[in-house]
Amino acid sequence: KNEVEQSPQNLTAQEGEFITINCSYSVGISALHWLQQHPGGGIVSLFMLSSGKKKHGRLIATINIQEKHSSLHITASHPRDSAVYICAVTKSTDKLIFGTGTRLQVFP
Amino acid sequence: NAGVTQTPKFQVLKTGQSMTLQCAQDMNHNSMYWYRQDPGMGLRLIYYSASEGTTDKGEVPNGYNVSRLNKREFSLRLESAAPSQTSVYFCASSENRQNTEAFFGQGTRLTVV
Repeated sequence: KNEVEQSPQNLTAQEGEFITINCSYSVGISALHWLQQHPGGGIVSLFMLSSGKKKHGRLIATINIQEKHSSLHITASHPRDSAVYICAVTKSTDKLIFGTGTRLQVFP
Repeated sequence: NAGVTQTPKFQVLKTGQSMTLQCAQDMNHNSMYWYRQDPGMGLRLIYYSASEGTTDKGEVPNGYNVSRLNKREFSLRLESAAPSQTSVYFCASSENRQNTEAFFGQGTRLTVV
């Protein structure tokens, strides 16, 4: 079993829909990261959080340390949000472990 | 501000050939990393460098060597490429290893035939 599990693996949505991507982990962590990978391949860091909630524009990330779970929400989704979203955790040993990603497609 | 610059973007090698992937960052980061990304798997750490002059093996180091030439540059070398090394390679950097944001290069798509 992977130490970091994401769901769903694939997600399609209509423009304007509210989107949720989930990440569960089974190890002790010091931080959780959400990353975005566009079709061109580049990876961009969206959030790094260790508790609570962070918001940036239409993106919201939450984490529940007790439940070992994080969610990434996208409000008013747009076709330009189409990408692979990757959850990663920093283990207490400083090692970064990545999930396999959620492929999101938003159609106009 | 270029961030993390990785070259080349694409490369095709024949089995047994050697090549070096170059990576440079201009953010004065201490830590640098090389990852590979394969279909259906999360990014896996090949090697990392916590600071200039130090390197350590990651999860999948076999078949690779690295060199932290200075604080800016961290190169990955394949001495004798194998088809199993066909992958997308990412270089990344962070201020340090503890809880700091990682910045990634654009990736190198390597095919070994």
